[in-house]
Order: sequence, then C-alpha cells, then structure tokens
Amino acid sequence: QVTLRESGPALVKPTQTLTLTCTFSGFSLSTSGMCVSWIRQPPGKALEWLARIDWDDDKYYSTSLKTRLTISKDTSKNQVVLTMTNMDPVDTATYYCARFLYTSYYMDVWGKGTTVTVSS
Amino acid sequence: EIVLTQSPGTLSLSPGERATLSCRASQSVSSSYLAWYQQKPGQAPRLLIYGASSRATGIPDRFSGSGSGTDFTLTISRLEPEDFAVYYCQQYGSSPPDTFGQGTKLEIK
Repeated sequence: QVTLRESGPALVKPTQTLTLTCTFSGFSLSTSGMCVSWIRQPPGKALEWLARIDWDDDKYYSTSLKTRLTISKDTSKNQVVLTMTNMDPVDTATYYCARFLYTSYYMDVWGKGTTVTVSS
Repeated sequence: EIVLTQSPGTLSLSPGERATLSCRASQSVSSSYLAWYQQKPGQAPRLLIYGASSRATGIPDRFSGSGSGTDFTLTISRLEPEDFAVYYCQQYGSSPPDTFGQGTKLEIK
C-alpha cells in the first residue's frame, strides 16, 4: 500500500524559510518511473503545482516560484524535502505531496496535506 | 507554459442529472498527459481519469473523460450525492512540467 505524509511547521514568519518533508512508503524513489510532486492550495483557491523530483534525481520547478524552491530526496529514508525561501502571507496554504508515475503521467496517491500559515 | 481553463466555474445540478465539465488548454496537450481529479472539502484530491479517458482504479463507470488537442471533457452520466465536489484538470508538460486548471465546483441545485 502506497502512502505519503507531509510534515513541517504549521506557522512560519514572513521572510523565513519553510522546510517540508514528505515521508512515503510502498514504493522506492530509486525505482525507474517513480517521482514525487509537491502541490499547494491556498484557502478557498485552486491547486498549484510547485515542484517534482524524479527517480533519476531530475528536478522541476514552477516557473513563477523556481527562484524560491529547492526539492531534494533521501532515498534511504524514503523522504522528499521541499524548501521555500522568503515566505510571505500569500504562501499560506495546504501543502500536499503526491506520487507521480512518469510512465503514466499522473499523480495517483496523495498525502493528506499539511497546513502552513505565514504570519508575524 | 500551458494554461488550462475550466468551465463553468460553478455547475448547479440535481442528483440523477448529467454533468459536463470542460477543460481547455492554451496549446495542444497530448491526451496521454491529461488527468482529472476530484476534491471534496477538507480532503486531498483524488485521481479520477488519466490519459484523458482512462478511469483510475475504483472509479465508477458513470465518470468518463474524452477529448484531444486543446479541448477535454469530464462527464458524469448520472450524478450521485457523493459526486458534488470540485473537479480539476491537470496536464503534464515537459517545460515546466505540470499545471492545473482553476477548478469547477459541482454543487447541488
């Protein structure tokens, strides 16, 4: 059974750096075709794709946020880490990680999400 | 960057009716790269359709997807009470990879 779980601070201050961890089970990020994506959703708004890391360590970022995002993986721990610098109140959102299947081009299993509020 | 525009923004229908949701891309998208997700309040999105027309595991056959190029459609043949939710289309792209539509809220009339 594939599961993913997001973790990180619930509250960050403006200008701080956010670090989120996605811990997953049921698959390995060293297996060809396996990828993990991050997506966020501000309250009452639409989903926004943020970043993806692939089994071969290729990394992809949202055009609008790429200067602030870094994604990395620790295959031995089954974790993917997303950092976002210079946080602003508009970054308040629920952040999701999801498994992306490169051979099929969709996100088949999602974590429950973690809510991050940016406020002083 | 490919922009996905979903219409209508809100769709008000009654249980038993047919729902037709549209997703239009700003440039051609391979059918293989188009997916639909359902999201209920307080829940993570759930994969419904991938490859524009293939149902994900466990998805009832009242859900169907179609389309190609820049125009894609999600159809729910006969609405059940549990189908009232927000629906998103999403495309995989090579540079940058992925984008979502802004969503269609399907509400009970």
